[in-house]
Parts: sequence; structure tokens; C-alpha cells
Amino acid sequence: GQSLEQPSEVTAVEGAIVQINCTYQTSGFYGLSWYQQHDGGAPTFLSYNALDGLEETGRFSSFLSRSDSYGYLLLQELQMKDSASYFCALPGDAGNMLTFGGGTRLMVKP
Amino acid sequence: GAGVSQTPSNKVTEKGKYVELRCDPISGHTALYWYRQSLGQGPEFLIYFQGTGAADDSGLPNDRFFAVRPEGSVSTLKIQRTERGDSAVYLCASSRDTSNTGELFFGEGSRLTVL
Repeated sequence: GQSLEQPSEVTAVEGAIVQINCTYQTSGFYGLSWYQQHDGGAPTFLSYNALDGLEETGRFSSFLSRSDSYGYLLLQELQMKDSASYFCALPGDAGNMLTFGGGTRLMVKP
Repeated sequence: GAGVSQTPSNKVTEKGKYVELRCDPISGHTALYWYRQSLGQGPEFLIYFQGTGAADDSGLPNDRFFAVRPEGSVSTLKIQRTERGDSAVYLCASSRDTSNTGELFFGEGSRLTVL
């Protein structure tokens, strides 16, 4: 089976940097995905790491360490619109069938 | 269409009734996934289709749940004899194929409330 753990809530100030951690357990590793979901909205894809290291996409970066079964999402220059839930997810043996973590609710304060 | 479309967006029903939820994936996407999301939790996998066939239905909670995708495009999730515990947002997602890109395109979901 697969399981992922992430903090339930994180609070940060507008303009700051925040890191959302994810640890996982899986028998077969293919990569780690990150999704953003605003209240009442659809989960939207942010990033996918198949190899160790940091991937940067604008204000968002995602890091993976396969040896530590650990990854994180880094959000820089926080904006109010970044207030949302963030999920890490693992693809399984069957292609893109993802197992999601419980989500981290990010609250950005002025 | 431009994105994954789900109907209805909201459905209120009474315990014991039958419900159908529809998903129209992105045109050309061969893989389609159903997830269920309860408040404050991550999406939970139910079933996925590659083309017309259910490639993995291991997430369906019991035999009251069934899904079809007869022509390899639109899919319907069917719930019989609904129970209050079935109340959740049912999310549909699609991807171009089943290659491991980690990227699914989700619809906004159908919120089911069983009274």
C-alpha cells in the first residue's frame, strides 16, 4: 500500500516563504505530485518530481529526496490567493492512479 | 470541452434513493478516474478506466457503487440505496493516457448530500 503524511495546517504572512512537508511510504516509487485546491474548487496540478532535487516553477518549487522518502513544496512571495489546501500524491503501479495525502491547509495573513 | 465537466454540481437526496453522477472528460483523454473527498480530507480513489474498461475498481467501498464508461468518453458513477455516509464531493479526473506524469485534470466535483 501507499501512505502520505503532511501537516494539517500552516499559517504564514503575505510576502513570506512557507514550506509544506510530505513524507511517504510506498512499495514502488514513480514520483511525487503536488496539487492545490481552493475551497469548493477542483484540485489543480502544481508539480511532479520523479528524480531527487529541486524543481522550480515561478513562485513555487518542489523538492524530492527518494532516500528519505520525503518531499516538500516551497511557496515564495506568498500572496493572499495562495490560501488553499495543498496535497502531495503518489502515482501507483497503474499509471496515473494517485494516492493523496490528507492535505495541508495554508492560511496566508496580511 | 476545455476542461473536465461534472453534473450535477450539487445533489441532495434521501437515504435509500438511487443517484447518478456524470463526468465528461477532456476530449482525447483515454484515462478517467473517480475520487471521493470528504470535508478536510484528501481525495480518495474509487475507480479508474482506461478506455471503456474499468482497469482498477479496488477503491469502490461496496457493491452499492458502480461506474460505467460505455463509449470510452463520458462516465457515470451510480450509487444505489444511498446512505448518509455517502455524503461527500465526488471528483472526476482525466489524463491523456496512463503514463506516469503525476498530472490529472480534475473537474469541480459533484457535491452529494444524503439526508
